Amino acid sequence: DTGVSQDPRHKITKRGQNVTFRCDPISEHNRLYWYRQTLGQGPEFLTYFQNEAQLEKSRLLSDRFSAERPKGSFSTLEIQRTEQGDSAMYLCASSSSAGKDTQYFGPGTRLTVL
Amino acid sequence: GNSVTQMEGPVTLSEEAFLTINCTYTATGYPSLFWYVQYPGEGLQLLLKATKADDKGSNKGFEATYRKETTSFHLEKGSVQVSDSAVYFCALRSGNTPLVFGKGTRLSVIA
Repeated sequence: DTGVSQDPRHKITKRGQNVTFRCDPISEHNRLYWYRQTLGQGPEFLTYFQNEAQLEKSRLLSDRFSAERPKGSFSTLEIQRTEQGDSAMYLCASSSSAGKDTQYFGPGTRLTVL
Repeated sequence: GNSVTQMEGPVTLSEEAFLTINCTYTATGYPSLFWYVQYPGEGLQLLLKATKADDKGSNKGFEATYRKETTSFHLEKGSVQVSDSAVYFCALRSGNTPLVFGKGTRLSVIA
């Protein structure tokens, strides 16, 4: 078990560019979550998948954000036409669907939009 | 909706001091409660959890008791170390909903 991994760890981009982040969950976990964390705040929920199905999306997830999990394994989060307000740490977590199972977090991708 | 309120930091303590970080919550149903810790430069790690009233979660000398009557889940440690310096997040989850986090409390322990 190598834990949840995310790539890249850091991304600097110019306003208006598109960016894509990847998350690889713990292999036996079928639930995958994306959160966003800004400086001095706790993580805020963006969206989550059970297998390949996207089951819930937060109102924080504007039309410029899209997430996929095509084969029920890794997931990608794309932000189109980035804005300075998108600068944050993007966290991925995974869990099994058994009862009240714990979510395990990856190291995050820090996005800076110039 | 669900929410978590935790004491604002930063908290600065001397080594071996007693630590309390307060956390209260508002939730529908019967939530599970968590403390996560974020060490400098690292991702969130689960520290401890409790899934029903009066449960006590414990790990690495930290403890928290799920108090339904006061809707609280305060984090305590009897003797902190420099290595405990981190940001601590209280969180809850009701059923299959995503985690709801507090804003975090930064702890600095000085030798």
